Amino acid sequence: GAVVSQHPSRVICKSGTSVKIECRSLDFQATTMFWYRQFPKQSLMLMATSNEGSKATYEQGVEKDKFLINHASLTLSTLTVTSAHPEDSSFYICSASSPDSYEQYFGPGTRLTVT
Amino acid sequence: EDQVTQSPEALRLQEGESSSLNCSYTVSGLRGLFWYRQDPGKGPEFLFTLYSAGEEKEKERLKATLTKKESFLHITAPKPEDSATYLCAVQAYSGAGSYQLTFGKGTKLSVIP
Repeated sequence: GAVVSQHPSRVICKSGTSVKIECRSLDFQATTMFWYRQFPKQSLMLMATSNEGSKATYEQGVEKDKFLINHASLTLSTLTVTSAHPEDSSFYICSASSPDSYEQYFGPGTRLTVT
Repeated sequence: EDQVTQSPEALRLQEGESSSLNCSYTVSGLRGLFWYRQDPGKGPEFLFTLYSAGEEKEKERLKATLTKKESFLHITAPKPEDSATYLCAVQAYSGAGSYQLTFGKGTKLSVIP
């Protein structure tokens, strides 16, 4: 149980284009989903917290107009990187938690490369 | 501000050589401390949650313990397949009902056959 998937696993895009990453909880309903980014040899940095049916809460320093988050259902959240630039290249990871658990279960991550 | 410090940054062990990883934390009201395993290019895999000082949990060759200031992840007779980065994270009580995790930088464990 507690399986979270992400799609795509890898994406390469040109500077100025937008990229959408999907995060799905496969066997449980996730009232809360989290988006992280991880740079090489660094820890996970929380970008935003999203609750189903409401606006995401962004961490300080994260541009909400650049990183659009939608949590339209209890099993799906999407992160759209708008007008991507090379400095947005990173490993993006989502996690999900269910209403009756404090634990977060992570997806396999998406490697974004902006050329 | 919640802080998590893991040590050592990297650890090389011979197969069968037991050791411990450390996670020191400062948090205003600990709800839970989490241990994850992360393989290269993959998302973290959940291992343990500890909620109160004195609590211990075990899974195969891994045992996690918790005090009021730190947590240890003990690895008994490790095998090469235990090689990974081990992440520690804390979750604090939040009036807004948030379940955010604050992560340490991890300990990269290499087990040599």
